[in-house]
Amino acid sequence: DAGITQSPRHKVTETGTPVTLRCHQTENHRYMYWYRQDPGHGLRLIHYSYGVKDTDKGEVSDGYSVSRSKTEDFLLTLESATSSQTSVYFCAISEGGLAGRYEQYFGPGTRLTVT
Amino acid sequence: RKEVEQDPGPFNVPEGATVAFNCTYSNSASQSFFWYRQDCRKEPKLLMSVYSSGNEDGRFTAQLNRASQYISLLIRDSKLSDSATYLCAMSEGTAGNKLTFGGGTRVLVKP
Repeated sequence: DAGITQSPRHKVTETGTPVTLRCHQTENHRYMYWYRQDPGHGLRLIHYSYGVKDTDKGEVSDGYSVSRSKTEDFLLTLESATSSQTSVYFCAISEGGLAGRYEQYFGPGTRLTVT
Repeated sequence: RKEVEQDPGPFNVPEGATVAFNCTYSNSASQSFFWYRQDCRKEPKLLMSVYSSGNEDGRFTAQLNRASQYISLLIRDSKLSDSATYLCAMSEGTAGNKLTFGGGTRVLVKP
């Protein structure tokens, strides 16, 4: 299994509070991604990173920000959590580059509930 | 129309039988294709990559039909442990290595 961990694994928070989710990889992969998965919507890309300090928006980026200060860590922040952000959040990594390997490998996920 | 579509199922399959299901896509620029398996309340796990016309790994065979824009997954000699949701995904190979996922097909293998 790819060396990807996510923390916390479960979190319950109140509407309006800030929340930060962490993804840590030990594979030294260049690309990192944050997805959310909801019934009826499948996996949707929130933000992704193509290198340290290089990030870009995905399909559903409103209300989320990210940071990547080191190759191994990718943080997802909900500035002011809302109930619509209750979801399962997955981090993924990809090697990419000249090898042309586009496979993504997923972390175990974080279940976030916003009350 | 969604960019990647899958029959949500469930496909109820007798143990030992063969099951096949498709994933259709609308973006003709898609170059690389993947099948993931996802168990309930778990992360998606890569099952197979398809960079040309198809791929085979044991009981699993993926076939790509670029003309009709779909990729199929066939499971032979189904096991109870094959019960899961199968997600297809594809990449244009553009910046960011982004994948677009289908909604998944649920497969239930029964004794």
